[in-house]
Amino acid sequence: QSVLTQPPSVSGAPGQRVTISCTGSSSNIGAGYDVHWYQQLPGTAPKLLIYTGSSRPSGVPDRFSGSKSGTSASLAISGLQAEDEADYYCQSFDNSLSAWVFGGGTKLTVL
Amino acid sequence: QVQLQESGPGLVQPSQTLSLTCTVSGGSISSSDYSWSWIRQPAGKGLEWVGRVFLRGSANPNPSLKSRVTISVDATKNQFSLKLSSVTAADTAVYYCARMNWGFAMDVWGQGTTVTVSS
Repeated sequence: QSVLTQPPSVSGAPGQRVTISCTGSSSNIGAGYDVHWYQQLPGTAPKLLIYTGSSRPSGVPDRFSGSKSGTSASLAISGLQAEDEADYYCQSFDNSLSAWVFGGGTKLTVL
Repeated sequence: QVQLQESGPGLVQPSQTLSLTCTVSGGSISSSDYSWSWIRQPAGKGLEWVGRVFLRGSANPNPSLKSRVTISVDATKNQFSLKLSSVTAADTAVYYCARMNWGFAMDVWGQGTTVTVSS
């Protein structure tokens, strides 16, 4: 059981907007630690998508955005495309575990 | 650009020690801007941070694995390594090495290597 909780799956039609939540607690997101998001395409390594909450690495389209509030964070994907179909993971630091932790992952299906 | 490549045995016997190496190319492992992490992923499951090492050799293993994990760096070879002792079937996973940046995001990943623990 991950200390960061994500929905197991979300779906949307091409062109739509979806959001993926990452719910933590006062020992991780709520303590002010940054949240990062990764995209993992089938059979490949994870790729950094959003860092320090809302920044995008070079090459990541601005269709991807991140936000944080309280003990939760969210990843939003607008203008859904077929190639967005992947697993998405959030990551933060947990001071009670003294470890970087990941959410359980969310599988995005583009209908 | 910086690339990472994992290497090591794909099969390890139970109770033995898993040993993996990550070779960094296109950049120096000696940069003080980064630390170097290991992450693993059992088949069909999520990601687990295993630990990280700094340039000067100090390491932060995941406390859940602490007594079994050793992470070291060899700056002369631009490599860092993972040793996980007393392995069981539960340690079977794809193991990734990654660069951790100043914000503690893992911004460069290796392609991963599959390690199976079995006799």
